[in-house]
Amino acid sequence: DVKVTQSSRYLVKRTGEKVFLECVQDMDHENMFWYRQDPGLGLRLIYFSYDVKMKEKGDIPEGYSVSREKKERFSLILESASTNQTSMYLCASSSGTGGYYEQYFGPGTRLTVT
Amino acid sequence: SQQGEEDPQALSIQEGENATMNCSYKTSINNLQWYRQNSGRGLVHLILIRSNEREKHSGRLRVTLDTSKKSSSLLITASRAADTASYFCATFRYSSASKIIFGSGTRLSIRP
Repeated sequence: DVKVTQSSRYLVKRTGEKVFLECVQDMDHENMFWYRQDPGLGLRLIYFSYDVKMKEKGDIPEGYSVSREKKERFSLILESASTNQTSMYLCASSSGTGGYYEQYFGPGTRLTVT
Repeated sequence: SQQGEEDPQALSIQEGENATMNCSYKTSINNLQWYRQNSGRGLVHLILIRSNEREKHSGRLRVTLDTSKKSSSLLITASRAADTASYFCATFRYSSASKIIFGSGTRLSIRP
């Protein structure tokens, strides 16, 4: 079974802190994704990566950056956390041309910025 | 811009009844997927239907796709308490690269 793990289930950070969210998948998937999920807004794509060192902006990249140095690991970075970045963050991975195939999700990180 | 819109936003039914959720979208697609999310957890893929398919089954799940109406439905038969979750449709167009676009979901509650 595909396993996608995220570094933390819950995280509390202060405004202005640099925040790292890490995601690891164990199925050699080419594609990895970061979403945020807010009530009533569904999932919104922040960034995705279709190969090592490659990244593409999603729909809401402002205030975020990503890093993919190894195929299995995709990191989301909040350079200077703000209260409007309080949200549930979900990582996902998929094989091939990403949308043609199902995505496998991690359990999520609930981030609170105070 | 949001591609998929689920309807209804919330649904409460008695255990054993069938649950039907609908998804409408705006542009042509290559496939449509349904996912389930239990409270506070990640999403789990349920079923994928391609644009040239009209109906697909998986266990108690039945998905239909009507590309002329740009809509899909998810039917869960003989519902169980464990089916209580949020259900999301997600659409994919090849021109959108690897992105799939999720709707805002239907929250399904099964009453014992």
